[in-house]
This record gives sequence, structure tokens and C-alpha cells, in this order.
Amino acid sequence: GAVVSQHPSWVICKSGTSVKIECRSLDFQATTMFWYRQFPKQSLMLMATSNEGSKATYEQGVEKDKFLINHASLTLSTLTVTSAHPEDSSFYICSARGAGGPLGNTGELFFGEGSRLTVL
Amino acid sequence: SQQGEEDPQALSIQEGENATMNCSYKTSINNLQWYRQNSGRGLVHLILIRSNEREKHSGRLRVTLDTSKKSSSLLITASRAADTASYFCAPWEVDSSYKLIFGSGTRLLVRP
Repeated sequence: GAVVSQHPSWVICKSGTSVKIECRSLDFQATTMFWYRQFPKQSLMLMATSNEGSKATYEQGVEKDKFLINHASLTLSTLTVTSAHPEDSSFYICSARGAGGPLGNTGELFFGEGSRLTVL
Repeated sequence: SQQGEEDPQALSIQEGENATMNCSYKTSINNLQWYRQNSGRGLVHLILIRSNEREKHSGRLRVTLDTSKKSSSLLITASRAADTASYFCAPWEVDSSYKLIFGSGTRLLVRP
């Protein structure tokens, strides 16, 4: 099946530093990746849509300068939390849809295992 | 894009019992998907039902879809403690965004 790898799985950083989270599709090409954020016992909140070779599309209320997204290749998207603050502490999850064929026609998403960010 | 609304918010059952979760949505869809999330993990795709299908089975899972009522249900038969997780439905419509928006989910607890 389609596998999405997310790294790191957890990270602790000091306030004011930047943290980069990587999302890789291991066995398929992903033209589109999505970044979600999840608070404890709550649902996933879609942050942005990452399209290979173009700028990400951010959801309303998400600061694009705060959460930098880069989708430089068909298998890699990165989320950088810049100048992190304690309120940025959360569980970040990426997902990907295929570039076409059976993986890309149904809207099915393949999720990474998530990255837990703790900002001290 | 639209989100599904799951009901109930929480469900606690005994191992071996069946668990039924419902999902409602608002507009026309191409398909509806169900996902599971174990605590602290990513989501796993369980099953997809297309708009022209009424029922679908996969192992102990049974999904129904009623497009006239804009609702779906997920039935887990003979539940196991390992089924303890949050379950989300995601209605998908064909538009340029291909986004999936998730609701609050149903938190299922299967007691051993």
C-alpha cells in the first residue's frame, strides 16, 4: 500500500527557534499533500494544501509566514514552524494523495504518523 | 469541500458487541470515506463507498450510504479491544481542491 513517512515523530524546541517537519511519500508520487494540526482530544484542522512546484494554499486563519510549506518534489513536502512559541505546541500530521491512477482518483489520503511538537 | 459530522461523539461498548457510528453531510458527494485514528497516531483509511453504492463490506466493517438523507453509517461487528480509536468520516466531492475536511469524530472505547 501507499506509505507516507513523517519525520521527526516528536521534537522539543526552545521558544523562538524554527522547526522543520518532513513528509515523504515512499512508494508513490504525490502531487498534493495536506498539512493538518490536531490539539488534544480534538479533530484535525486543515492548515494548508501543498502542491508540488507551486505555492501552498493556506486555510483561513493560518499564518503563512508562521507555517512555511515547501513542496519541492513529488515525494517531499516540508512544514517549517518559524519562531515557534508554546502555543504552537501541537500534533502536526501530513497526508498525501497520489499523482494519478488508482491512488489519485478517489480522494483517498495516505497519512503520516504525525509529529508532536513541544515548544518550551 | 465539506466536513462530515459524526455521531455519537463517544461510544463505549463491551468486547464482542457491535459498534455503530453515523455520519451526516450537507452537499452532493463523489464518495465518502471512513478513517481511524489510534491515539497519538496518524489516520488510517478504512473504507470508501462511492455515491452510487448503498452498502459495502470489508472484513468486520460494514458501511452504508444513503445519499437521499446525506448520511452514512459504519458498523464494526464483533468488536475487539484493538478497535478502540477515533473514527472519522470524510465526504469527498470532486472539486479543484481535493481537500478532506474532518469533523470531531466518534471516540470508540471497547472494554475487554
